[in-house]
Amino acid sequence: GENVEQHPSTLSVQEGDSAVIKCTYSDSASNYFPWYKQELGKGPQLIIDIRSNVGEKKDQRIAVTLNKTAKHFSLHITETQPEDSAVYFCAASNQAGTALIFGKGTTLSVSS
Amino acid sequence: DAGVIQSPRHEVTEMGQEVTLRCKPISGHDYLFWYRQTMMQGLELLVYFNNKAVMDDSGMPKDRFSAKMPNASFSTLKIQPSEPRDSAVYFCASRRPGQGANTFGSGTRLTVV
Repeated sequence: GENVEQHPSTLSVQEGDSAVIKCTYSDSASNYFPWYKQELGKGPQLIIDIRSNVGEKKDQRIAVTLNKTAKHFSLHITETQPEDSAVYFCAASNQAGTALIFGKGTTLSVSS
Repeated sequence: DAGVIQSPRHEVTEMGQEVTLRCKPISGHDYLFWYRQTMMQGLELLVYFNNKAVMDDSGMPKDRFSAKMPNASFSTLKIQPSEPRDSAVYFCASRRPGQGANTFGSGTRLTVV
């Protein structure tokens, strides 16, 4: 089955800096790669996703890149703000009816 | 849209007791997932349903865990007997047909003492 590795497990940045979180996956059949943000006491919330026919996707300060050959994808947050502090999870699935398999999460701390 | 609704939000129980966690998915979503979150293991998939049928329960310890979905708007995850190692946050999520993204509930924090 699918296995998703995520690095780093913790990341501390200064406000205004960029943050990058990286994930690798094992199943070449995976074609859907979402990123979730989890704030304290809440469930994970989808912030951006990418499908295997796209190499990069941007949404304001957030971008995700995908390298299918190398089986890795990354989340980039620019101009970080204190409210970006949270746990971020990457995930992968074959959209055809399978479950999302998650990485173990990255705790991002943005200090002002 | 009320989102995915889980109950209870918090549960404290003694080892050996039965625990039932409940989930109401978003109307029209035909997939339902149960995940367990711990510091060590992250978000682990326990079981998921499609149109009320179990698709994969390989992540669920079947000697003590059972999951049911008697209708399209309700699912339960039961633990009997509960053990301290079951202490975790349990999330239910649902998904619309043809979509990849899950929508998560707020979770149930289970503490077994």
